[in-house]
Amino acid sequence: KNQVEQSPQSLIILEGKNCTLQCNYTVSPFSNLRWYKQDTGRGPVSLTIMTFSENTKSNGRYTATLDADTKQSSLHITASQLSDSASYICVVKDSNYQLIWGAGTKLIIKP
Amino acid sequence: EAQVTQNPRYLITVTGKKLTVTCSQNMNHEYMSWYRQDPGLGLRQIYYSMNVEVTDKGDVPEGYKVSRKEKRNFPLILESPSPNQTSLYFCASSFTGNTEAFFGQGTRLTVV
Repeated sequence: KNQVEQSPQSLIILEGKNCTLQCNYTVSPFSNLRWYKQDTGRGPVSLTIMTFSENTKSNGRYTATLDADTKQSSLHITASQLSDSASYICVVKDSNYQLIWGAGTKLIIKP
Repeated sequence: EAQVTQNPRYLITVTGKKLTVTCSQNMNHEYMSWYRQDPGLGLRQIYYSMNVEVTDKGDVPEGYKVSRKEKRNFPLILESPSPNQTSLYFCASSFTGNTEAFFGQGTRLTVV
């Protein structure tokens, strides 16, 4: 069964610190992997999209990595800010146009 | 401003009373979709549309209908809502199924 699992479920860090969120998937065949940021009660906003051949993609202080062999991805946030408090969702798209969504990691940045 | 607009933002209704949630995008996107989000679960796709007059079922289509008569609009119809359809609904659009998706602000539906 196609699944996307994220860890940790929630994370609290101090402002200015770095953090890394994990995503493991069993989706096959694989088309692309996306990371979204979702503020409470609002629609998700795209951070990165990576295809099979891409290992790393950055968007400002956000850097996503992909290891298609081990079916793992990570999202690294550098020098966190209070506005980074949100849920971060990993989404994997298969070649049948189906998107499989992870449950997300809830990140809280404390001053 | 490029956006996806959903209406209403909040809706409380009774079991069995037909309702429609509208979704409109102004980016000339071909691909549109509807999701529901429940606590502790990832977003689940209800229906998607790859172009005008082309719609297909997602993961949880039961109890929902959609139509795509024009490119910009993709309404979600609940013919006979039930309490298990209480959820947060999102509409999304993108140029294709492979490109970045833009989401609406969400519709919080409560069925009593």
